[in-house]
Amino acid sequence: GIQVEQSPPDLILQEGANSTLRCNFSDSVNNLQWFHQNPWGQLINLFYIPSGTKQNGRLSATTVATERYSLLYISSSQTTDSGVYFCADAGKSTFGDGTTLTVKP
Amino acid sequence: GAVVSQHPSRVICKSGTSVKIECRSLDFQATTMFWYRQFPKKSLMLMATSNEGSKATYEQGVEKDKFLINHASLTLSTLTVTSAHPEDSSFYICSASHRTANTGELFFGEGSRLTVL
Repeated sequence: GIQVEQSPPDLILQEGANSTLRCNFSDSVNNLQWFHQNPWGQLINLFYIPSGTKQNGRLSATTVATERYSLLYISSSQTTDSGVYFCADAGKSTFGDGTTLTVKP
Repeated sequence: GAVVSQHPSRVICKSGTSVKIECRSLDFQATTMFWYRQFPKKSLMLMATSNEGSKATYEQGVEKDKFLINHASLTLSTLTVTSAHPEDSSFYICSASHRTANTGELFFGEGSRLTVL
């Protein structure tokens, strides 16, 4: 099956810093999604982004389907951004191992 | 829109008992619902895929008789952990995809934390 690789596995930032999270796929993906899992376990949809670029406030995402990767940008990070960020091939319900983000005040 | 509700959020039970977890799509009809298990500090592991009115499709290594899935309607799927044992303790999450949108985009429930004593 398809392999989903996320990097970096862990990231520690100072509040206000920017960051880029990456997701690589071993095969073509038609239903790429980014999620944030908060400390209580809830998975929050961030982007459904099979291709192109989307922005939502301080977050944006870009998927280059032909090169099998997607990037999640977080600008002006806040402590509430802490948690685990997952990318997934939603169509195959295959998830990466996640990036654990810690934003320090 | 696209809200999925999962209940209960936490359950503690004795070893040998059965526990039912419900997953409801509140404002849309779900073609397909998925059940995952998540161990601490790990990713989501797909357990099974359920389609309304048909038998669930289980992933390799998941015991069908241990984890019973019923998808009775387009808005409700249930996971029953039968004869639960301490090793079944985990965080269980469901997701659903929108029937009419049919994009494959997933919407998640809040998760259910099961502790078996």
